Amino acid sequence: DQQVKQNSPSLSVQEGRISILNCDYTNSMFDYFLWYKKYPAEGPTFLISISSIKDKNEDGRFTVFLNKSAKHLSLHIVPSQPGDSAVYFCAASGDGGTSYGKLTFGQGTILTVHP
Amino acid sequence: NAGVMQNPRHLVRRRGQEARLRCSPMKGHSHVYWYRQLPEEGLKFMVYLQKENIIDESGMPKERFSAEFPKEGPSILRIQQVVRGDSAAYFCASSGRGPSTDTQYFGPGTRLTVL
Repeated sequence: DQQVKQNSPSLSVQEGRISILNCDYTNSMFDYFLWYKKYPAEGPTFLISISSIKDKNEDGRFTVFLNKSAKHLSLHIVPSQPGDSAVYFCAASGDGGTSYGKLTFGQGTILTVHP
Repeated sequence: NAGVMQNPRHLVRRRGQEARLRCSPMKGHSHVYWYRQLPEEGLKFMVYLQKENIIDESGMPKERFSAEFPKEGPSILRIQQVVRGDSAAYFCASSGRGPSTDTQYFGPGTRLTVL
């Protein structure tokens, strides 16, 4: 039962262009969503988060959009840089029930930014 | 301003041996989470602990795995009688205020290899 899904295993983008990574979830108890970036042999690095009371959060080149009715969120990176090449994980947590405390992760999307 | 620390970074064990993985949370954090990443998969929640208490161990295998977070010292994830299927990257995360809208920060992970 995959409650958080990243349906694109990989994404290739040209430097300077926009990268859009997508994530869908099924558990309506989720109320906090995060994006992490991960390099090989390292731990996930927190990028940006959004609470369910918002529909957009921006931090520098990174913007996360949340569409609660569609149970969908996306991460936009503008402009994309070669150093952004990594695996990006979407994660969600909730305030109650079985989603309390723990993060539920998607499978990850490998982003490659070409110079 | 040390982040989450984990040791060892790499651990090799033979089948039947015990593995002990240690995690020191970020300064000021009292909530610790353990996750496991199997090859080609996303991170999966294992256990959530506060000082001297296990809050949620719903992701822990029923046998051979245990976790603790004592009043003093690091959190320990213990795997008894390891099998080849335990080979994975084990990540620890910590947060300051507790779950839901609190960001979890990850350590670099311990890569366990069972021969």
